Amino acid sequence: DAGVIQSPRHEVTEMGQEVTLRCKPISGHDYLFWYRQTMMRGLELLIYFNNNVPIDDSGMPEDRFSAKMPNASFSTLKIQPSEPRDSAVYFCASSSGQGYYGYTFGSGTRLTVV
Amino acid sequence: AQSVAQPEDQVNVAEGNPLTVKCTYSVSGNPYLFWYVQYPNRGLQFLLKYITGDNLVKGSYGFEAEFNKSQTSFHLKKPSALVSDSALYFCASASGNTGKLIFGQGTTLQVKP
Repeated sequence: DAGVIQSPRHEVTEMGQEVTLRCKPISGHDYLFWYRQTMMRGLELLIYFNNNVPIDDSGMPEDRFSAKMPNASFSTLKIQPSEPRDSAVYFCASSSGQGYYGYTFGSGTRLTVV
Repeated sequence: AQSVAQPEDQVNVAEGNPLTVKCTYSVSGNPYLFWYVQYPNRGLQFLLKYITGDNLVKGSYGFEAEFNKSQTSFHLKKPSALVSDSALYFCASASGNTGKLIFGQGTTLQVKP
């Protein structure tokens, strides 16, 4: 398995533009997580899904952020409109069986909003 | 509420000395505990986990961690530090009830020659 795949690796966009981050979890994993990493806040859990259903989105900072998981092999995190303070590294992770077998992380997307 | 605390922002040790990076947790149900390492401009790499069984867990690169239920701690240890161990270390917990994975704020480990 190729692991958790995130795209793009880097994204630079102008303030006000829409940004879409993508994640392909490991096949067979039923949990998917989106995290944001910044120097100020560390690693924050934004939202997580179980069997494609959002379970907890309490970490989503504002209505400008939305996430979807239309099927077991794909998820998106969208920011519209983007702001400079959204600049961060966004990680996707997946797991099986409520974490008993561990969690696997993607390489992350480094987002810069100018 | 589920939480993880890493009380030290930075730990400094000399190469060859033992190292400890501290972690305490609060979780309902059976805790699943993890340590991850992050090198500059890289993603998170799994080091070790505690799910059940022996309280001393051995992981990658010579690291180990001790689960202490009474102190709700899961400290990361290594008998002899290497300069190449210098990185950012994250402790994380998941509840066996929910599967939700929460991270501590991270501890920067600096190993000096």
